[in-house]
Amino acid sequence: AQSVAQPEDQVNVAEGNPLTVKCTYSVSGNPYLFWYVQYPNRGLQFLLKYITGDNLVKGSYGFEAEFNKSQTSFHLKKPSALVSDSALYFCAVRAGNTRKLIWGLGTSLAVNP
Amino acid sequence: EAQVTQNPRYLITVTGKKLTVTCSQNMNHEYMSWYRQDPGLGLRQIYYSMNVEVTDKGDVPEGYKVSRKEKRNFPLILESPSPNQTSLYFCASSFRDETSYGYTFGSGTRLTVV
Repeated sequence: AQSVAQPEDQVNVAEGNPLTVKCTYSVSGNPYLFWYVQYPNRGLQFLLKYITGDNLVKGSYGFEAEFNKSQTSFHLKKPSALVSDSALYFCAVRAGNTRKLIWGLGTSLAVNP
Repeated sequence: EAQVTQNPRYLITVTGKKLTVTCSQNMNHEYMSWYRQDPGLGLRQIYYSMNVEVTDKGDVPEGYKVSRKEKRNFPLILESPSPNQTSLYFCASSFRDETSYGYTFGSGTRLTVV
């Protein structure tokens, strides 16, 4: 079965420290991978995507994600966390050769001052 | 400003009273979609539309209707709301489909059915 997993419900990190939000997937074919962020009381916002090319993808607000084919992962990273990065983060992957997304359940990131 | 506009932001209604949540986008996007977000269940797609007059069921379409008479508008209709439809609803649009381009999401509609 095709799936995407965000193994951590919550991640806590101190301001200024690097952050990682994990995402692993299981799909057939070449994966199209996405990260979205949801700030409190707001809709989701697109951060970045990987379709092909360089395994390190840079996105909005200083975030980047690394595609690792052998580990079937697409972890979201930022070198130095800000309190304003505190939000809910969603990973999504294209289901096989369809035009449909499979969504992770989200990871709540808390950045402590 | 490029945006997806949903109305209302908050709605409390009673069981069985028909309601419509409106959604409009100003980006000339072909693809539009409705999601509901529930704790522990994440985002689940209700309906989507590839273009005008083309709509299809998502993962949880029961109890919902949609229409796409114009490219910019994609209203969500609950003919007879029930308490299990209490949720946070999001409309989203994308240039072509949801896997090639990123989505633009609306700010959400929090619906409570009592």
